[in-house]
Amino acid sequence: AQTVTQSQPEMSVQEAETVTLSCTYDTSENNYYLFWYKQPPSRQMILVIRQEAYKQQNATENRFSVNFQKAAKSFSLKISDSQLGDTAMYFCAFTAGGTSYGKLTFGQGTILTVHP
Amino acid sequence: SAVISQKPSRDICQRGTSLTIQCQVDSQVTMMFWYRQQPGQSLTLIATANQGSEATYESGFVIDKFPISRPNLTFSTLTVSNMSPEDSSIYLCSVVWPIDTEAFFGQGTRLTVV
Repeated sequence: AQTVTQSQPEMSVQEAETVTLSCTYDTSENNYYLFWYKQPPSRQMILVIRQEAYKQQNATENRFSVNFQKAAKSFSLKISDSQLGDTAMYFCAFTAGGTSYGKLTFGQGTILTVHP
Repeated sequence: SAVISQKPSRDICQRGTSLTIQCQVDSQVTMMFWYRQQPGQSLTLIATANQGSEATYESGFVIDKFPISRPNLTFSTLTVSNMSPEDSSIYLCSVVWPIDTEAFFGQGTRLTVV
């Protein structure tokens, strides 16, 4: 079984600044994928970024990038030029590949507040 | 991308009753997933629903409490049976589309049991 741990229950950042959210995971799988999801007060789960474990290159998506350290089983999310709309709960998630793809294991979540 | 319509968006139910949540997808998908999000908590997978076979439940969840139907490739229901206040949560359905890419979620059903 895999576990996902987010050690920061809450984070805050000033608008336009950079913030990093931490995530560690544990698995015996070789084929897996990692995600960051955003959940604003509307409850809608929104994919922020996706990383394939077999890719060494860190995923980037506009202002969002990850630092994927496979050996350390670490997967942090960096948000640059933070915007008020980034305020939300952020979840780190894991899924194995193959027939288990889509069965997500989530971390506890980090509440991010962006201040004007 | 996949668009998921989940109903109802919220409900308040009496203890001992049952509620059925519907999830409709605009694409044909092999697997649909049901999650529970307890107040202030993370999401936990309840079960995986495949069309034409019985759902597969995760540890701690049983079919008698959370029966699932999957009559076709675009629709599924989750029933929360014999509800107690501890069942008050947000329930979400999810699909992966296209295969092995992004997981999309419904808007969630906020259930309050009184």
